Amino acid sequence: GESVGLHLPTLSVQEGDNSIINCAYSNSASDYFIWYKQESGKGPQFIIDIRSNMDKRQGQRVTVLLNKTVKHLSLQIAATQPGDSAVYFCAEKATGNQFYFGTGTSLTVIP
Amino acid sequence: DAGVIQSPRHEVTEMGQEVTLRCKPISGHNSLFWYRQTMMRGLELLIYFNNNVPIDDSGMPEDRFSAKMPNASFSTLKIQPSEPRDSAVYFCASSWTFSNQPQHFGDGTRLSIL
Repeated sequence: GESVGLHLPTLSVQEGDNSIINCAYSNSASDYFIWYKQESGKGPQFIIDIRSNMDKRQGQRVTVLLNKTVKHLSLQIAATQPGDSAVYFCAEKATGNQFYFGTGTSLTVIP
Repeated sequence: DAGVIQSPRHEVTEMGQEVTLRCKPISGHNSLFWYRQTMMRGLELLIYFNNNVPIDDSGMPEDRFSAKMPNASFSTLKIQPSEPRDSAVYFCASSWTFSNQPQHFGDGTRLSIL
C-alpha cells in the first residue's frame, strides 16, 4: 500500500533572488531558536540562532526574524545560490536542554 | 576543529541482529543527543545525556533500544534485536549545556534492516 510520509513544504527560487522560509513554533515559553540546513546525506548544519529577547539577527547572507506575538520565525537568505538548495529546519528550546524540530522546508534553487 | 563523528556511516544487516552505532561528540561539549530521522516522522529525539548521565530517554521506542555514555568522548546506541522498522538515519549531536547553545550534528548512520 501507499506509505504516508511527512509532506515537506517546498520552495523554489531563481538563483540570485531572495528566499524566505517560515516556521511556526508551538511553545510560548521557548526562549531560544535555531535554523539548521540539511543537505542530502549529511546531518543538520547550524546556520543562525536567535534568543527570545531579540526580534532580528543577521549573519552572512542570512537574517532570522522572530515574532513572539504570533509565534513565528523566518529565515531570509539573500542572493540565493545553488549551494543553498537543502532542507531547512527551525528548532525551538523551552525548558531544559531539549530542542523541538519542525518538519522542514525543502528549498530548490533554479540556476 | 573536528565535529561530531559517527560510525559507521552505513549499516545493512538482517533482522534479529544486534546493531551498535557509535558517536564521538565535540571535545568539551557536555551534552549528547541521539536522534532518529525518517520520512514518516521527521527528526525524533531518542535520548540525551548531560555530563555522561542519561537525562531523558522517553523517546527511546522500545526496550530493544539502549544507549550508553561511558565517558565524555564516546557514546553508543544499541538495538537488539533489530527489526526492519528500525531502518532510519540515526544522528548524534552535542552541545554545551550552559545557557543557550546550538546542538552540532554528526553526518549520521544510515541503518537498513532487511
